[in-house]
Amino acid sequence: GENVEQHPSTLSVQEGDSAVIKCTYSDSASNYFPWYKQELGKGPQLIIDIRSNVGEKKDQRIAVTLNKTAKHFSLHITETQPEDSAVYFCAASFNTNAGKSTFGDGTTLTVKP
Amino acid sequence: DSGVTQTPKHLITATGQRVTLRCSPRSGDLSVYWYQQSLDQGLQFLIQYYNGEERAKGNILERFSAQQFPDLHSELNLSSLELGDSALYFCASSVGLSDSPLHFGNGTRLTVT
Repeated sequence: GENVEQHPSTLSVQEGDSAVIKCTYSDSASNYFPWYKQELGKGPQLIIDIRSNVGEKKDQRIAVTLNKTAKHFSLHITETQPEDSAVYFCAASFNTNAGKSTFGDGTTLTVKP
Repeated sequence: DSGVTQTPKHLITATGQRVTLRCSPRSGDLSVYWYQQSLDQGLQFLIQYYNGEERAKGNILERFSAQQFPDLHSELNLSSLELGDSALYFCASSVGLSDSPLHFGNGTRLTVT
């Protein structure tokens, strides 16, 4: 089955700096790569996603890049703010009659004011 | 607000007991997923239902079972509970199968004493 590795497990940055989280996946059939943000006491929330026919996607301060050949994708957060502090999860899935998203182990991001 | 409702929010029970966790998916979503999140752990996929039918199974213990009802709500039944079953249990829903964004509820925190 699919295996997703996520790095780093913890990341601390100063407010205003950029943060990058990287994930690799094993199944070349995977074609959908979402990123979720989990704040304390809440369920994960989708923040951005990318499909395999696209190399990069941006939404304000957040961007995701995908390298299908190398089977890795990354989350980039620019101009970080204290409210960006949370646990971030990457995931990979593919479209079949039965499927599931496989999640990375998460990255705890701390933005210091 | 994701539109996914999970009840109860907290559950404290003793070893050997049985509990039922309930999930109402977002309006219009046909897929329901159950995930387990232990302390400092990632999201472990348990099981997925699509329009009432089981579609995918993860590392779900034989002591655990689930179902999705005609009104699309789902229940996760956990029996013969052990201390190690203490965790956050998340329900998520999506419109389609595996390549759609997941919408998570805020989870049920289960404590087994």
